[in-house]
Amino acid sequence: AQSVTQLGSHVSVSEGALVLLRCNYSSSVPPYLFWYVQYPNQGLQLLLKYTSAATLVKGINGFEAEFKKSETSFHLTKPSAHMSDAAEYFCASSKGSSNTGKLIFGQGTTLQVKP
Amino acid sequence: ETGVTQSPTHLIKTRGQQVTLRCSSQSGHNTVSWYQQALGQGPQFIFQYYREEENGRGNFPPRFSGLQFPNYSSELNVNALELDDSALYLCASSSPTGERTEAFFGQGTRLTVV
Repeated sequence: AQSVTQLGSHVSVSEGALVLLRCNYSSSVPPYLFWYVQYPNQGLQLLLKYTSAATLVKGINGFEAEFKKSETSFHLTKPSAHMSDAAEYFCASSKGSSNTGKLIFGQGTTLQVKP
Repeated sequence: ETGVTQSPTHLIKTRGQQVTLRCSSQSGHNTVSWYQQALGQGPQFIFQYYREEENGRGNFPPRFSGLQFPNYSSELNVNALELDDSALYLCASSSPTGERTEAFFGQGTRLTVV
């Protein structure tokens, strides 16, 4: 069965430091992959998506992620953290090899940004 | 901000009662998916509606049911509420064709069962 694993439920960085949030997927076929951000008491906002066009994906707010098939990973990075980046981040995979709107989510990673 | 709206934003129900949650999809989207997000967890797929028909279901019991209307808005109904049904319920609209096929989420409905 497909699954998404986010390594580290909490990540803490200093403002201006590199952000690295880890995501590994398991799938028999290359899936569509997504990163979403959730601010307190809000829904999910799409940061970026991988749909097999390019392995390095750039998203909003300076975030990017690299698809590595050999490592079955899709880690999210940002060169310099900002206080406003503090939120919950979810990695998600589509069911199957197309974006059907049926998503499998990881458990989430809470990003804390210290001044 | 997406064009997906959910109502109500919060509600409190008693165990055993029934609840209906509503979702208006983004303009041009014909697919609505529902997710349950328990506290501290990632969202779990409940089911999806495409052109008024159920199009896939996650591991949820039959007391979770839904509808999609001709305007593609959708309802999630939960019967015989249990305490564990307390969660944030998210709907997402999408369209399987077109340039932007990702799912757009609403703000969610926070359901508390007491």
